[in-house]
Amino acid sequence: DAGVIQSPRHEVTEMGQEVTLRCKPISGHDYLFWYRQTMMRGLELLIYFNNNVPIDDSGMPEDRFSAKMPNASFSTLKIQPSEPRDSAVYFCASSSRTGGIYEQYFGPGTRLTVT
Amino acid sequence: QQQVKQSPQSLIVQKGGISIINCAYENTAFDYFPWYQQFPGKGPALLIAIRPDVSEKKEGRFTISFNKSAKQFSLHIMDSQPGDSATYFCAASGWTNAGKSTFGDGTTLTVKP
Repeated sequence: DAGVIQSPRHEVTEMGQEVTLRCKPISGHDYLFWYRQTMMRGLELLIYFNNNVPIDDSGMPEDRFSAKMPNASFSTLKIQPSEPRDSAVYFCASSSRTGGIYEQYFGPGTRLTVT
Repeated sequence: QQQVKQSPQSLIVQKGGISIINCAYENTAFDYFPWYQQFPGKGPALLIAIRPDVSEKKEGRFTISFNKSAKQFSLHIMDSQPGDSATYFCAASGWTNAGKSTFGDGTTLTVKP
């Protein structure tokens, strides 16, 4: 398996622009997670889905952030409008229940810079 | 509050030494405790994990020690190597979270040659 795939790997945009991050989970995994990582705040869970349905979005910082999972093989995280404080590395992870546990597999991340 | 507290924030160890990272949790419903290793520019990767029905799990140079009564668990890296230099995260999950893991703040390990 190719693992979790994220695109783009790097994104530089200007404040006020719309940013869309993409994720393809591992085939067969039924959970998908979006995380944000910064030096100041560490690894933060933004939202997660189960079987394409959003379960917990309490970590989404504000209404400028939205996430969708239209099917089992694709998810997007959108920021509109973007702000400099959104600069971070965004990770997507997927998991499934195997042997009674959930092992999360992370993608390589998207480094977002908002100027 | 479902928190996982990790210490130390950073750790410097000489090559061949033992690296020890500690975590404490509050929610007794947690039943799965993984450790993740992250190299610069990469996503976290699962390193080793333990269930609360055992007190220790060893995989090569990496060992998790688990103390259920104290609600603490730790990662021991024996014979630490420069290639082990990375950020390590502990995490916890359980039935109540249905797959959602709560992560510690991370420990940056530097192994000096």
